[in-house]
Parts: sequence; C-alpha cells; structure tokens
Amino acid sequence: GAVVSQHPSWVICKSGTSVKIECRSLDFQATTMFWYRQFPKQSLMLMATSNEGSKATYEQGVEKDKFLINHASLTLSTLTVTSAHPEDSSFYICSASNSGTSGRSNEQFFGPGTRLTVL
Amino acid sequence: QQQVKQSPQSLIVQKGGISIINCAYENTAFDYFPWYQQFPGKGPALLIAIRPDVSEKKEGRFTISFNKSAKQFSLHIMDSQPGDSATYFCAASIAGGTSYGKLTFGQGTILTVHP
Repeated sequence: GAVVSQHPSWVICKSGTSVKIECRSLDFQATTMFWYRQFPKQSLMLMATSNEGSKATYEQGVEKDKFLINHASLTLSTLTVTSAHPEDSSFYICSASNSGTSGRSNEQFFGPGTRLTVL
Repeated sequence: QQQVKQSPQSLIVQKGGISIINCAYENTAFDYFPWYQQFPGKGPALLIAIRPDVSEKKEGRFTISFNKSAKQFSLHIMDSQPGDSATYFCAASIAGGTSYGKLTFGQGTILTVHP
C-alpha cells in the first residue's frame, strides 16, 4: 500500500517559537494533502486541504496565518505552526491522496502523526 | 448536513465475540464510506471501505453493512481479538470536485476486547 511519512514524530518547543512538520508521500504522487489535528480521546479535525502548487483551503475557525501550509511538490507538504502556544499542543496528522479533481478515488493514506508539545 | 454520527462511544467485548459499531450520515452526496483503525500515538489506518452501490463488503473478519435508504452503515468485527483493541472511526466523503475527497469523521469508538 501507499506510504506516507511525517517528520518529526514528536517535537517539544518553547512558547513563541515556530515549528515545521513535514509530510511526504513515499511511493506515489499526492495531488492533494490534508492536515488534521487530534486532541486526546477525540476525533480527527480537518484543518486544511492543500493541492500541489496552489494555496491551501482552510476549514472554518483555523487561522491560516498561524498554520502555514505549503505543498510545493507532489510528494511533500509542510505545516508550520507559527508562534506556538501551549494550546497548540496536539497530535498533527497528514494524509495524502492522488485523486485530483477529476479522479474518482477517495482513498487517503495517513501519516503516523506528529506529537507537538509547546511548553 | 456534513456530520457523521458514530455510536457507541466505547465498547467492551469478550474475545471471540462480535463487535458492532454504527454510523449515520445526512448528506446523500457522500459516495465513499471508509472505516479506520487507530492505535494510541499512531495515525489512522484504513481497514475497509464501501461505496453506496453495494450493501455489504467483507474482508477477513471485518464486514461493512450499508443501508442507503436509512443513511446508515456499520462495521462488524467477527471473532474479536485482544489485538483489535483500538479506536475505530467511520468516515464519509464525496469524490472529485472541489471536495477533493475530503473526509468527514465520526466521533470514534474505543473498542476493548478482553481475553
């Protein structure tokens, strides 16, 4: 099956600093990547949808200036949490899809997640 | 209308028993219904998925039952094992268009299988 990796798997940072999380599709070209955050014992909450070469589409309530998403290539998307605060501590998960706008496949392949702790 | 409602919130089953998790949706445009399994500290992994043109799909011990008229679908885990203990999420999406296959997740069910 398709493999998606995330780096780092966990990160601890000080309040006010920025943190970058990478999401890579290792064996397929991902036309679309999604970023989720998950709080303990809760479901996945979609933050944004990103298509290669275009601006990300953010879900309602997600600050686009705080959570910067870049999808510069078909195998790499990055999420940068700017000026992180303790309330940003969460489990961030990416997924990748190769369906595009004309494809019929819905399948998303999820990364292993990144645990962010902001002190 | 984008919600997917999942129940129960938690489930305890004895080894060898059947685990049943239910989901209901409102948006009739959904055309893809996957189930994901998630272990603590890991990303979700696709277990099995179904499209609305079939009423049932079976893969090993896992079966999805789909009722289009009732807008409900369920996951059945036969012969449940302690290794199946995890959180299970149902989801739904719309293929193509501007949705790009965006998934709407249920709230999750914590399954515990006792040996």
